Amino acid sequence: GQQLNQSPQSMFIQEGEDVSMNCTSSSIFNTWLWYKQDPGEGPVLLIALYKAGELTSNGRLTAQFGITRKDSFLNISASIPSDVGIYFCGARSNFGNEKLTFGTGTRLTIIP
Amino acid sequence: DAGVIQSPRHEVTEMGQEVTLRCKPISGHDYLFWYRQTMMRGLELLIYFNNNVPIDDSGMPEDRFSAKMPNASFSTLKIQPSEPRDSAVYFCASSPLYKRQGLSYNEQFFGPGTRLTVL
Repeated sequence: GQQLNQSPQSMFIQEGEDVSMNCTSSSIFNTWLWYKQDPGEGPVLLIALYKAGELTSNGRLTAQFGITRKDSFLNISASIPSDVGIYFCGARSNFGNEKLTFGTGTRLTIIP
Repeated sequence: DAGVIQSPRHEVTEMGQEVTLRCKPISGHDYLFWYRQTMMRGLELLIYFNNNVPIDDSGMPEDRFSAKMPNASFSTLKIQPSEPRDSAVYFCASSPLYKRQGLSYNEQFFGPGTRLTVL
């Protein structure tokens, strides 16, 4: 089946540092979504990408849909304490099939 | 608008008991999804509905699990009988579907989840 390889699994950074994470697959996808999950809560949608090569920003967050359609990355600039959480990528392969495949998550921790 | 609403937020039950999880999707959304999240397996899609009709239930683990969507504003996920290995966080998500310039846009919005513990 389709799998998304998300890396890194965890990150320990200092406040103010930039963060980069990515998802890769051997399969082609038509949609990439990035979510953040706080403890005890459901995933919250951060950015949605629908076209290969698309680069989209949401405040300090920037995500790109890889040109090969097999990968996507998420960058966070100038991290702040509220960025702590688990980030998931999700991808959809076919229009008309609404199933999302999710990565295993990147746990972001900010060291004081 | 209120987001996706799930109840209960926490459920503790004993093995063999019936468990019913409830979900109210965002008004106007065409799709409803049930997911299960565990440390070992991450986020797994169990089943999804389009306009109240089940479309894909291939992720439902076994016959002990069933899901219904009697109308556009309500869905249930039932486990009968429950087992300790069913302990997980269960999420409901809903999404609209709209098309523009040849692309289909669907963004899933998740509820807060139900944390199920089966003793």
